Amino acid sequence: AQSVTQPDIHITVSEGASLELRCNYSYGATPYLFWYVQSPGQGLQLLLKYFSGDTLVQGIKGFEAEFKRSQSSFNLRKPSVHWSDAAEYFCAVATGTASKLTFGTGTRLQVTL
Amino acid sequence: DAGVIQSPRHEVTEMGQEVTLRCKPISGHDYLFWYRQTMMRGLELLIYFNNNVPIDDSGMPEDRFSAKMPNASFSTLKIQPSEPRDSAVYFCASSYRGTGGYTFGSGTRLTVV
Repeated sequence: AQSVTQPDIHITVSEGASLELRCNYSYGATPYLFWYVQSPGQGLQLLLKYFSGDTLVQGIKGFEAEFKRSQSSFNLRKPSVHWSDAAEYFCAVATGTASKLTFGTGTRLQVTL
Repeated sequence: DAGVIQSPRHEVTEMGQEVTLRCKPISGHDYLFWYRQTMMRGLELLIYFNNNVPIDDSGMPEDRFSAKMPNASFSTLKIQPSEPRDSAVYFCASSYRGTGGYTFGSGTRLTVV
């Protein structure tokens, strides 16, 4: 069965600084990978997804992620963080485009001014 | 489109009472998922439907939980009888053939006292 690990429970960055959130997956074949963001009291919003092709994917709100098969990773990055990016971020994996998602435990991002 | 609509947003009930959570997926989406989110267990998939048919209910915790999808535009998750450990945020999500990831509703925060 597939699994997702987000090793950082909580990260604090200064506004304007760069950000990288880590995600490692476990799955035998090429997975379908996703990043979601959840603001307090809200549902999850899709930031970006990787199905195949170019390993660097661009998403909404200036986020990008890079799929590295050799490291089984799909880290999320943003060059300059805004205070409004403070939220919880979830990495997720699926074994097929139409199958169920398995979520990581999430990383809570705090942004200091 | 109004997105995935869940009702109620908040529900407080007494132990032993029946609770019904409702979900209206995005029109045209053929997959519907029910997730539960708690601090201790994170996001857990309870059940998902494809074209109104339950495909995988292995995440439903007990017989006290049941879910139905009588038509393409409506689904319910019922807990009978409810217990304090059922307190959580319950999310509904829908997708079209899984492509593009899921669209989540805003969730129902359930408190069982």
